[in-house]
Amino acid sequence: GENVEQHPSTLSVQEGDSAVIKCTYSDSASNYFPWYKQELGKRPQLIIDIRSNVGEKKDQRIAVTLNKTAKHFSLHITETQPEDSAVYFCAASILGDGGSQGNLIFGKGTKLSVKP
Amino acid sequence: DGGITQSPKYLFRKEGQNVTLSCEQNLNHDAMYWYRQDPGQGLRLIYYSQIVNDFQKGDIAEGYSVSREKKESFPLTVTSAQKNPTAFYLCASSIRRLSEKLFFGSGTQLSVL
Repeated sequence: GENVEQHPSTLSVQEGDSAVIKCTYSDSASNYFPWYKQELGKRPQLIIDIRSNVGEKKDQRIAVTLNKTAKHFSLHITETQPEDSAVYFCAASILGDGGSQGNLIFGKGTKLSVKP
Repeated sequence: DGGITQSPKYLFRKEGQNVTLSCEQNLNHDAMYWYRQDPGQGLRLIYYSQIVNDFQKGDIAEGYSVSREKKESFPLTVTSAQKNPTAFYLCASSIRRLSEKLFFGSGTQLSVL
């Protein structure tokens, strides 16, 4: 089955710097890669996702890149702010209409701390 | 905020006791899920349900049971067979199974007395 590895487990940056979190997956059939953000004491929320038919997706200060050949994808946060401090989870799944599908498999999470 | 509600927020279990965690959603979503979150372990799927009266085991179903008698409700019972139940439990829903977006509840922290 699918296995998702996430690195680093903790990341500390200065406000205004960039942060990068990387994930690798094992199942080449996986085609959907979301990122969830969980602030302290709150529920996880989807912040961005990417399908395997694109290599990059941006939403303001957040971007995700995907390398299908290497089977890894990354979350990039630019101009970090204290409110970006949270645990970030990557995930992978096979998303399709009928046929082969799979549940979301999550990475173990990265605790990002942004220091003012 | 509404959407998906979990209760209680904190729960304590005695040795040999079964406890039930509640999950209710008013999003009219077909699919519902239970995840277990341990520090440094990410989110692991316990059970999921695609429609009423149907549910499937996830990756770590042993020691847990669920029911889906109503579309809005997906309670999780942690049985005495679960020897290490202390964890944060998250319920989630999506429009349909394996939908693009999961909506999570605020979680229940279960501890053993």
